[in-house]
Amino acid sequence: QVQLVESGGGVVQPGRSLRLSCAASGFTFSSYGIHWVRQAPGKGLEWVALISFDGSKKYYADSVKGRFTISRDNSKNTLYLQMNSLRAEDTAVYYCASSGGGYYGAFHIWGQGTMVTVSS
Amino acid sequence: DIQMTQSPSSLSASVGDRVTITCRASQSISSYLNWYQQKPGKAPKLLIYAASSLQSGVPSRFSGSGSGTDFTLTISSLQPEDSATYYCQQSYSTPQYTFGQGTKLEIK
Repeated sequence: QVQLVESGGGVVQPGRSLRLSCAASGFTFSSYGIHWVRQAPGKGLEWVALISFDGSKKYYADSVKGRFTISRDNSKNTLYLQMNSLRAEDTAVYYCASSGGGYYGAFHIWGQGTMVTVSS
Repeated sequence: DIQMTQSPSSLSASVGDRVTITCRASQSISSYLNWYQQKPGKAPKLLIYAASSLQSGVPSRFSGSGSGTDFTLTISSLQPEDSATYYCQQSYSTPQYTFGQGTKLEIK
């Protein structure tokens, strides 16, 4: 079964750090670029970051650049998002999603999401 | 950055109606336009990619069209399970994969 499963969310104080994980199964993880997308409560979808299939290229939204780091371990079929200097506006459900494979960049596999709440 | 604008922001329609949602890009994105359906508490689900290609397993009542800057998602005969929020997304100007603001579809 093709799936992505996020973990690591929780409640964290402003200025602190948190690391999210996204475990892949059922497909060749190492062949696909993987994204993080977030959704603040009651709001729309916001693309956060992308890592290439081999981890050599990384891209970030301006809103998280310099604070978040995306990485992957293809030997473990796992994606990570290290979030530092967290702010209240980072409160959201964080999804990992896979693109590529003939889908013209569309995100064809999504995880179920993990909630991050930044609050004192 | 490419901006994506959807209209309407919300709509209400009856079972069996033909429903159309539009998405406009701030510059040409060729056919690199995708549509997602999201139900409350769930992850988005890919419906249409490359403007008009139906994702596997998606009912044929869903269709997409357009190119350049103007795109549409059409539901030919609305079903109760189609109540959801729909998002367009451009995948032309990578890696800034911009989403539209969403269209909330309710069933009367």
